[in-house]
Amino acid sequence: QQKVQQSPESLIVPEGAMTSLNCTFSDSASQYFAWYRQHSGKAPKALMSIFSNGEKEEGRFTIHLNKASLHFSLHIRDSQPSDSALYLCAVNTGGLSGKLTFGEGTQVTVIS
Amino acid sequence: EAAVTQSPRSKVAVTGGKVTLSCHQTNNHDYMYWYRQDTGHGLRLIHYSYVADSTEKGDIPDGYKASRPSQENFSLILELASLSQTAVYFCASSDDWGSSQNTLYFGAGTRLSVL
Repeated sequence: QQKVQQSPESLIVPEGAMTSLNCTFSDSASQYFAWYRQHSGKAPKALMSIFSNGEKEEGRFTIHLNKASLHFSLHIRDSQPSDSALYLCAVNTGGLSGKLTFGEGTQVTVIS
Repeated sequence: EAAVTQSPRSKVAVTGGKVTLSCHQTNNHDYMYWYRQDTGHGLRLIHYSYVADSTEKGDIPDGYKASRPSQENFSLILELASLSQTAVYFCASSDDWGSSQNTLYFGAGTRLSVL
């Protein structure tokens, strides 16, 4: 069974700083890696995803994937109070399977 | 934007009773999912489906059944509700996993309290 783990569990960052979140997975055949964000009392919403090794940048958000080390990360540049939320990483199981497993989440609080 | 509608939005059930949560999507998506979320925690996959009249077990299927009578509708059934099934339940849909557009679109959630 796919195991997805996130670190840290929670994080407090000052406004304008960089936020860095980590996710590890256990299935080396996984091909889809994504980050979702969930504001309090709301539904999760996709932030960005990546399929191949390397880096992908969209605005203030950057995702890094290293399949060999079974690890990917999310970096948020110039963090804003509106970025305060629960961040969830997600990984699919086995090739292009649609079975998607989420991590336990990292609670991010941005203080001004 | 993709639309996923869940009903009811909240539900109070008695232990041992039957509960049905419903989900409807208008995205023409193949995949539909049921996840549960306990307070402050991540999402755990209960059941999912990639075609009508067929369902697959997720990571925590025990105590739950699922039904996909059409592409648009996906239900989660708790035959004998238990206290441990108190949680928020999210339904989601996504497009064909053979494409590059694999984003999950979530409904607003159903808050279930079993007493």
